[in-house]
Amino acid sequence: GAGVSQSPSNKVTEKGKDVELRCDPISGHTALYWYRQSLGQGLEFLIYFQGNSAPDKSGLPSDRFSAERTGGSVSTLTIQRTQQEDSAVYLCASTNSGDYGYTFGSGTRLTVV
Amino acid sequence: GNSVTQMEGPVTLSEEAFLTINCTYTATGYPSLFWYVQYPGEGLQLLLKATKADDKGSNKGFEATYRKETTSFHLEKGSVQVSDSAVYFCALNQAGTALIFGKGTTLSVSS
Repeated sequence: GAGVSQSPSNKVTEKGKDVELRCDPISGHTALYWYRQSLGQGLEFLIYFQGNSAPDKSGLPSDRFSAERTGGSVSTLTIQRTQQEDSAVYLCASTNSGDYGYTFGSGTRLTVV
Repeated sequence: GNSVTQMEGPVTLSEEAFLTINCTYTATGYPSLFWYVQYPGEGLQLLLKATKADDKGSNKGFEATYRKETTSFHLEKGSVQVSDSAVYFCALNQAGTALIFGKGTTLSVSS
């Protein structure tokens, strides 16, 4: 597609429920990234997929967080047993070369009540 | 590990004032450096970039020069406009790793 598409744009969930966030990267982009943006915390790296390589999961804050990327394209970020501190905007980005910068989606605003 | 430090905000300026937002980095090797901007209610957009020492990135009147000797990439604009009000993020990238961002600086420009 023309840009990075994320869905849903907003999600309100009850504490303890699982949520899935979806990212459709730009067609042909080999690298895909998930970040979390919280007030006062800036942009926190979560996970990075590059081609067929094993993902870099070093930024995932706990084992409640996981992500997969199917067929080298669409990615799903799953948060199990959500907590209030998981409330944030989750951003997805893709690129073909880090030197050219990333293209970001508009994000999913997650609110855990 | 790699890191980016940028000046705390908010920065409040009058229209046509000169802007500087400081950014310094810590990295092994030679990272690429970026400034991203997030306008109110919008997503992150790449503003400018520099991929090697002494390169100057520029866009929309903004400039930043990659200074290896001072490990800095300060953002400047000679005359800001109300429409420049946004959050600005400095970031670095090295091959094989994800972009690392600073915490962001909020700029507010009044007429």
